Amino acid sequence: DQQVKQNSPSLSVQEGRISILNCDYTNSMFDYFLWYKKYPAEGPTFLISISSIKDKNEDGRFTVFLNKSAKHLSLHIVPSQPGDSAVYFCAAKGVYSGGGADGLTFGKGTHLIIQP
Amino acid sequence: DGGITQSPKYLFRKEGQNVTLSCEQNLNHDAMYWYRQDPGQGLRLIYYSQIVNDFQKGDIAEGYSVSREKKESFPLTVTSAQKNPTAFYLCASSIAGVADTQYFGPGTRLTVL
Repeated sequence: DQQVKQNSPSLSVQEGRISILNCDYTNSMFDYFLWYKKYPAEGPTFLISISSIKDKNEDGRFTVFLNKSAKHLSLHIVPSQPGDSAVYFCAAKGVYSGGGADGLTFGKGTHLIIQP
Repeated sequence: DGGITQSPKYLFRKEGQNVTLSCEQNLNHDAMYWYRQDPGQGLRLIYYSQIVNDFQKGDIAEGYSVSREKKESFPLTVTSAQKNPTAFYLCASSIAGVADTQYFGPGTRLTVL
């Protein structure tokens, strides 16, 4: 039973355009969400996070939107650059619900391909 | 130069042998974690530790064991009881605050022959 779902295994976007990666979750106890970027045979790199008290968080070219009622979040990358080509993982945890330092629950990832 | 180190990068073992994967951090983080990644899958939590001398099972702890004798170190032993040990293993650490971010090491690719 997947609690964090990334339904698009891959996404191809032209350089300079907007990349939108989507993530849905089913566990209503999740209240803290993170996006990681990963290259093959390397550890994930933290990109951006958002807590349930916000609906948007922005950091440079990266913006994460959270729709709590729909249990949906998305990562926007504008403008997309060749170096953005990687696998992007959505992750979640229940922090304010007492999760503390529990581990993260990950989606299966979306492979983003930026085309020149 | 702070960070998380995992060694070795690639590890080969014969079936039936126990093997220990190393994870060290100098970030002064209280919490440490072990995840496993299989092809086409997300990361799945094996074990985590919020403080020295304490650790908790994650979602897929069977066939694995850990210890946390020092704050900086969280070794993972893959035992012969683990049915499918070949995978990419990732260690992470965090401050363990309310909304902590986990930072990952470079990973160890374990192949059991």
